[in-house]
Amino acid sequence: EAQVTQNPRYLITVTGKKLTVTCSQNMNHEYMSWYRQDPGLGLRQIYYSMNVEVTDKGDVPEGYKVSRKEKRNFPLILESPSPNQTSLYFCASSLNRDHEQYFGPGTRLTVT
Amino acid sequence: EDQVTQSPEALRLQEGESSSLNCSYTVSGLRGLFWYRQDPGKGPEFLFTLYSAGEEKEKERLKATLTKKESFLHITAPKPEDSATYLCVIQGAQKLVFGQGTRLTINP
Repeated sequence: EAQVTQNPRYLITVTGKKLTVTCSQNMNHEYMSWYRQDPGLGLRQIYYSMNVEVTDKGDVPEGYKVSRKEKRNFPLILESPSPNQTSLYFCASSLNRDHEQYFGPGTRLTVT
Repeated sequence: EDQVTQSPEALRLQEGESSSLNCSYTVSGLRGLFWYRQDPGKGPEFLFTLYSAGEEKEKERLKATLTKKESFLHITAPKPEDSATYLCVIQGAQKLVFGQGTRLTINP
């Protein structure tokens, strides 16, 4: 089944404790992206990747890191999480940036 | 600046009552306009892509249309299961821009 998977789905952590949210797709897509969604602010792009080893900042990259070493994986790293990074996070992939995106199920992160 | 504005913010209809959702946009070099449906707490689900003015796409009770300044998502004889937030997204020459969404509720 074609899909985007994210892990973990739920995470509660404390300020400053490094964490990684994994994202994987099995559709051989070149384009992958991370978003956060907050009430009243809609979906905002954090980082995106047009292909392996190519990543670029979205609208809200501060406090996040990404890497794209393989085509199928695009992990999101929070080196020192803070409470303002409490949010619902979505990973997505598409053939390229001009095509529709397929979203993962979401990761609900709480930083206390 | 590339921009997307969706209206109304929220819409409540009775089952069977047809209506339209609007997505107005300004963009330098439209590469694609996308409609997604999102249920609470879940990832957006792709509905349609429109690439050029005059284009129309249909799927079940939904029909999307595109002009040079706006897109409409027409919903015909909606059912309660059509209740969701509908997102309009544009891919410009440089940037991807999300609308804030229209929260649609269909009452039985």
